[in-house]
Amino acid sequence: AQSVTQLGSHVSVSEGALVLLRCNYSSSVPPYLFWYVQYPNQGLQLLLKYTTGATLVKGINGFEAEFKKSETSFHLTKPSAHMSDAAEYFCAVSEDGNQFYFGTGTSLTVIP
Amino acid sequence: EPEVTQTPSHQVTQMGQEVILRCVPISNHLYFYWYRQILGQKVEFLVSFYNNEISEKSEIFDDQFSVERPDGSNFTLKIRSTKLEDSAMYFCAGRESGGNTIYFGEGSWLTVV
Repeated sequence: AQSVTQLGSHVSVSEGALVLLRCNYSSSVPPYLFWYVQYPNQGLQLLLKYTTGATLVKGINGFEAEFKKSETSFHLTKPSAHMSDAAEYFCAVSEDGNQFYFGTGTSLTVIP
Repeated sequence: EPEVTQTPSHQVTQMGQEVILRCVPISNHLYFYWYRQILGQKVEFLVSFYNNEISEKSEIFDDQFSVERPDGSNFTLKIRSTKLEDSAMYFCAGRESGGNTIYFGEGSWLTVV
């Protein structure tokens, strides 16, 4: 069965500090992995995805994530947080590109 | 850039009333989805729809819910006899044939009072 675990429902970082949002997944086959971002009062926007190939993927707004099969992880990082990064971040997994399973989300607060 | 559009953005309805949420998917998308997010909880799958029929549905998607694509463009979610616990953000999403990524609309916030 597919599932996603996001450790830390709330993360606070100072502006300019490293952002690290954790995601671990379970899947019986090599999965597709996604990060979506939800800004206040908006829908889910695709931030980045891993399907095949390079395990380090880059997304919009300076975010990147690395697929680590041995750790079943797909953590999201950004070297330097910006105030505009404050949002809810969702990790998602899919085994077949049809059914998608989401984590419970991590709310990122950026402190000026 | 094409996007999924949803209406209404926010609806307040009395318990027991019927609600229809509408979605206009991206034109080349053939697979459609409804998800919901109860306040403070995870995004939950409701149903997927392809070729004018339901392809998968979750245990949440019981007889109270129905979907259709009446005119080849709009994709609707109907909730009959709404309950307080139906209050949530409902997201429509779409995927193109052969694609592995779903793209979401901005959501319809339903409040049942």
